[in-house]
This record gives sequence, structure tokens and C-alpha cells, in this order.
Amino acid sequence: DQQVKQNSPSLSVQEGRISILNCDYTNSMFDYFLWYKKYPAEGPTFLISISSIKDKNEDGRFTVFLNKSAKHLSLHIVPSQPGDSAVYFCAASTSGSNYKLTFGKGTLLTVNP
Amino acid sequence: GAGVSQSPSNKVTEKGKDVELRCDPISGHTALYWYRQSLGQGLEFLIYFQGNSAPDKSGLPSDRFSAERTGGSVSTLTIQRTQQEDSAVYLCASSLWRRASTDTQYFGPGTRLTVL
Repeated sequence: DQQVKQNSPSLSVQEGRISILNCDYTNSMFDYFLWYKKYPAEGPTFLISISSIKDKNEDGRFTVFLNKSAKHLSLHIVPSQPGDSAVYFCAASTSGSNYKLTFGKGTLLTVNP
Repeated sequence: GAGVSQSPSNKVTEKGKDVELRCDPISGHTALYWYRQSLGQGLEFLIYFQGNSAPDKSGLPSDRFSAERTGGSVSTLTIQRTQQEDSAVYLCASSLWRRASTDTQYFGPGTRLTVL
């Protein structure tokens, strides 16, 4: 069973507009959430994270929102740039096994110039 | 500084052969993790090391899979009697393990394993 779901395999947006990537989870024990970005032939790189005690975390153009009651988080990229084109993975962990990240399948974001 | 490195980058093997995948973590990182990504799937946790010991091996798919870490640094993931379903990208990550719940895992580029 998939505990972290990214239901959109791909997303295409225009440069300068907002990109919104969504992620749902089923395990209510998850209390830490991360977004990773992956370019082809490279390993995933950490982008931004959020603890379950918060509902928003912002870092430059990237903002992650957490809705615990809906078990949903989203990553907003504003403004989107062509260099943001990559696969974005949502991941989660529990405080009891904080070393073990559970990943979604990823969303391929394409930002068109 | 140097990031996590993995070798080989690509490995093609025949069904039934053994393979060894190597990971060099970032210098000074005490925690090391192995994941794999099968086609169309997310990353799947395999095992993690704290120093040379592996407190959690629960993600290893079968007893054909084993891993070791020596000197608190390099790790080797061994797959014996490979099967076609073992074909995947095997990713290694490392972290400092200073504050457990907020440690960032830094990933290597992965080893793409193809079992014919």
C-alpha cells in the first residue's frame, strides 16, 4: 500500500507562473515531510521540509503547506523558472523511525519558457 | 566538498550472478542509507547504518540482499543470485545525524542495475 501518494505524474506550467505540486499521505504517524527535486541521472536533492507542528514553511520561491486534517501537503513555486523543470518527490517520516523516508512516485514538472 | 559517490554508475548482469554496489558517503557523515527506485515507483527504503552497525534492515527485500559498512565510511550493497525484479536504480544517501528528526539526507547519483 502506498502511504505517500502523488497523484499527478506530470505538470506543465509557463515560466513566471505558479507551480503547485500536491501530495497526500495515509499514515497519521507521519510528522515530518520533505520535498526533493531530481534531475535526470542525478540523485534527489533536498528542497524544503516541514514539521507537523507547522502549517507553512517558506524558503525563497518555495513554500510548503501542510493540512494535517486532510493529510495533504503541497509545494508552491513562485515564480516558476525553466531550471525548475525536474521530478519532484514528496517524502515523509515518523519520529519513531525518522531515518526512514517514505517517498511518493514523483511528479515531473516542466516549466515552459 | 565532494558529495556522495556511487559505483558503478551502470551495471548489467545476468540472472543468477552476484553483484556488489559501492557507496562513498560525504566525509564525516555517520549515517548512511540505501534506497532503490524501481521503474515508475518512488524510492523504497532498504537499510540504514549508524556508524558500522545497521539498526534497521527491514527494507531488504529478501535474504539475497545484504549490506555492510566498514570504518564508518564506505558501504557495499550485495545482491546474490540476482533476479530480473532486482532491476532498479539503487541510491545511497548519507547524513550527519546531529538532530535526528531534521537531518537532511544527501543522495548519490545512483547505480542503475539491469538484470537480463
